Amino acid sequence: DTGVSQNPRHKITKRGQNVTFRCDPISEHNRLYWYRQTLGQGPEFLTYFQNEAQLEKSRLLSDRFSAERPKGSFSTLEIQRTEQGDSAMYLCASSWDRVYGYTFGSGTRLTVV
Amino acid sequence: GQQLNQSPQSMFIQEGEDVSMNCTSSSIFNTWLWYKQDPGEGPVLLIALYKAGELTSNGRLTAQFGITRKDSFLNISASIPSDVGIYFCAGQRETSGSRLTFGEGTQLTVNP
Repeated sequence: DTGVSQNPRHKITKRGQNVTFRCDPISEHNRLYWYRQTLGQGPEFLTYFQNEAQLEKSRLLSDRFSAERPKGSFSTLEIQRTEQGDSAMYLCASSWDRVYGYTFGSGTRLTVV
Repeated sequence: GQQLNQSPQSMFIQEGEDVSMNCTSSSIFNTWLWYKQDPGEGPVLLIALYKAGELTSNGRLTAQFGITRKDSFLNISASIPSDVGIYFCAGQRETSGSRLTFGEGTQLTVNP
């Protein structure tokens, strides 16, 4: 068990570019979550998957954001036409029940310049 | 936006002192979690609480799930320099599915 793995750890992109992040959850966990954290704030929920099904999305997830978990294992989060306001830490978490074992990865720090 | 009120926002203490922080909400939560986050890293789970009134310890850490289900506290005894970091409470509500709601964090500084 290597924990929740996120790649890349850091991403700097120009405004208007598309970016994609990857999350590999703990292997036996069937639930996968994405959160966004801005400086000085706690993480805010974006979306979650149970196996390959995306079951819940936050209003924070605008139409420029899309998340997939094609085989119920790893997940990707894509942001199209990035804006400076998208700069944040994007955190992935996984669990095998609603909250039991809810484990976060180290995050991807996105900077939009 | 955040629905959990976490206090204090920051604490500056001497090594060896005890620390207490708490979270309150106007909503009922079914689960309370306490996390610690170091700079540039994701939150690490410290303690999970699943029943109202539950008191749980993890080494020098003790946390309680309030009887009203609207609050929780975390105590750290005999603080050490490596306790430095940001502590977050997080709650899960019956009506919110799997999403967690986080407090705004307590920044803890421990002076040796």
